[in-house]
Amino acid sequence: GAGVSQSPRYKVAKRGQDVALRCDPISGHVSLFWYQQALGQGPEFLTYFQNEAQLDKSGLPSDRFFAERPEGSVSTLKIQRTQQEDSAVYLCASSPRAGAYEQYFGPGTRLTVT
Amino acid sequence: AQSVTQLGSHVSVSEGALVLLRCNYSSSVPPYLFWYVQYPNQGLQLLLKYTTGATLVKGINGFEAEFKKSETSFHLTKPSAHMSDAAEYFCAVSSGTYKYIFGTGTRLKVLA
Repeated sequence: GAGVSQSPRYKVAKRGQDVALRCDPISGHVSLFWYQQALGQGPEFLTYFQNEAQLDKSGLPSDRFFAERPEGSVSTLKIQRTQQEDSAVYLCASSPRAGAYEQYFGPGTRLTVT
Repeated sequence: AQSVTQLGSHVSVSEGALVLLRCNYSSSVPPYLFWYVQYPNQGLQLLLKYTTGATLVKGINGFEAEFKKSETSFHLTKPSAHMSDAAEYFCAVSSGTYKYIFGTGTRLKVLA
């Protein structure tokens, strides 16, 4: 079956622009996660959804970052007024159960802010 | 609080040689431990996981890892490296909930 997909795969934004990154989780997966992976680093947790509810947003680095999953399937991570330090790969993962420990990752979106 | 340390950001082995990638963790509760592999321009793929029970865990592609509580380690091994094993490997720890803490990764190079 289809895995987690993300779009776009690459995004270049000028500093100050807003961007929206999309995640299509595996069909039927309850949990959805966003991670930020800076160059040479491991992924860092940003936020967690259980169905449409955002249960944890403790990893979002600033109020410029916003995530939503309105119908409990597709999710969008929005970054407003992008800064150079936002340049990273943004990974989405999904999991079949609430709070489950096994996560399936998408290929990521590489965001470059110039 | 939990943390993960991966010793060696780059490891090179000859094709056919033993692969050993080191991971040490810190956790105040019994940990769940994972190894993921990341190929260029791809997402993370789960290699293996330890939750409870048997401390020697076998995963895909011939990899295995042993949970050693006394050493707070979860090293990844493979008896014989293949060229296709060249990738970046991440160790992660969880307290049994959804939040993973990842290490900084080890890039494995396999020499012909």
